[in-house]
Amino acid sequence: DIVMTQSPLSLPVTPGEPASISCRSNQSLLYTNGYNYLDWYLQKPGQSPQVLVYLGSNRAYGVPDRFSGSGSGTDFTLKISRVEAEDVGVYYCMQALQTPFTFGGGTKVEIK
Amino acid sequence: EVQLVQSGAEVKKPGESLRISCKGSGFSFISYWINWVRQTPEKGLEWMGRIDPRDSYTNYSPSFHGHVTISADKSITTAYLQWSSLKASDSAIYYCARRDTLTNYPDLWGQGTLVTVSS
Repeated sequence: DIVMTQSPLSLPVTPGEPASISCRSNQSLLYTNGYNYLDWYLQKPGQSPQVLVYLGSNRAYGVPDRFSGSGSGTDFTLKISRVEAEDVGVYYCMQALQTPFTFGGGTKVEIK
Repeated sequence: EVQLVQSGAEVKKPGESLRISCKGSGFSFISYWINWVRQTPEKGLEWMGRIDPRDSYTNYSPSFHGHVTISADKSITTAYLQWSSLKASDSAIYYCARRDTLTNYPDLWGQGTLVTVSS
């Protein structure tokens, strides 16, 4: 199985400030079609996870442009340009290159 | 409205069987993989397996293969996750989630089904 490692575990943030979450895989997620099979999800308290970014850097429909995904191969980053209070929750990365798909352990984002 | 609606919470005893459902509406059900994901406080999110409702082709995680069965009835746009003999360790929230078979766009999750297994 592909192992996904996220950091940090917890991220206190100040509204209006940027934030960044790292996700690393132990195998390359770059497929022959040029896409990285890496998704980012946010699970807000009491809700189902919702997709933010898919295939490495494609922002999902309706997701604010303050969210961006970058990286390739084994190293990926989710950036929030200016954190808002509604962005609190747990962020997960997930590889969808090969089954079984696997998730990172999550990064809890909370307001300072 | 495009949605995945899951069946309600269940309380079961160890050894009992269970089937939970995930009904899709507002979209072409056969154009998406339906994935099942387990969430527990101890292990976080775990991908269990998926099904292609066009032909009921399935992939399972080795961690769950043999303990659960994933199925689908495309005529009623519903996917299922079932156990023949529950264990206490199956207590969790179970989510279904769709992923476009062509674009790989993973845009919709169900609301989750809480399963509690306790004697």
